[in-house]
Amino acid sequence: GQNIDQPTEMTATEGAIVQINCTYQTSGFNGLFWYQQHAGEAPTFLSYNVLDGLEEKGRFSSFLSRSKGYSYLLLKELQMKDSASYLCAVRDKDDYKLSFGAGTTVTVRA
Amino acid sequence: KAGVTQTPRYLIKTRGQQVTLSCSPISGHRSVSWYQQTPGQGLQFLFEYFSETQRNKGNFPGRFSGRQFSNSRSEMNVSTLELGDSALYLCASSLDRGSFYGYTFGSGTRLTVV
Repeated sequence: GQNIDQPTEMTATEGAIVQINCTYQTSGFNGLFWYQQHAGEAPTFLSYNVLDGLEEKGRFSSFLSRSKGYSYLLLKELQMKDSASYLCAVRDKDDYKLSFGAGTTVTVRA
Repeated sequence: KAGVTQTPRYLIKTRGQQVTLSCSPISGHRSVSWYQQTPGQGLQFLFEYFSETQRNKGNFPGRFSGRQFSNSRSEMNVSTLELGDSALYLCASSLDRGSFYGYTFGSGTRLTVV
């Protein structure tokens, strides 16, 4: 099974940088996903890491260390529209089941 | 291309009733997964279907069931509804099992049991 932990809430100022950490324990690993979910909307795919290292996609970057069971999502040049919940999810290598953390609510202040 | 379509968007049911929710995946996507989302529990995996076969099931009682049709559309059914079944039910589709393109979610069906 999977055990996924991420902070509940984070607050940052417009234009700043925020790093959302995610730690996981898993019996079998087949990739880590980050999703963004605005209130009342569906989660949308942000990034996928299966190998160690940093994946950069515009203002968003995601890092993975498989040996440490650790990932982070880095949001740069924060904008008000980035206020949302960010979900870390781990996929199991045997059954491909995607297990989600409880989500981190990011609030961007002007 | 069209996204994942879930119907209906909102439902109000009475305890003891049953409900059927529908999910049409993105054209070409063969894997469909269902999740229950509540404020207290977050996103909880219900089941996954691929090629009309249930591949995985989460830790939910047998009142929760589903199926997938030959065109990859999927339905989930909840029988003998309880108040605790009130939640947002999300469907997600992907090209294949284990796809690195990720999963695309529908907007969900918000079920309220009274």
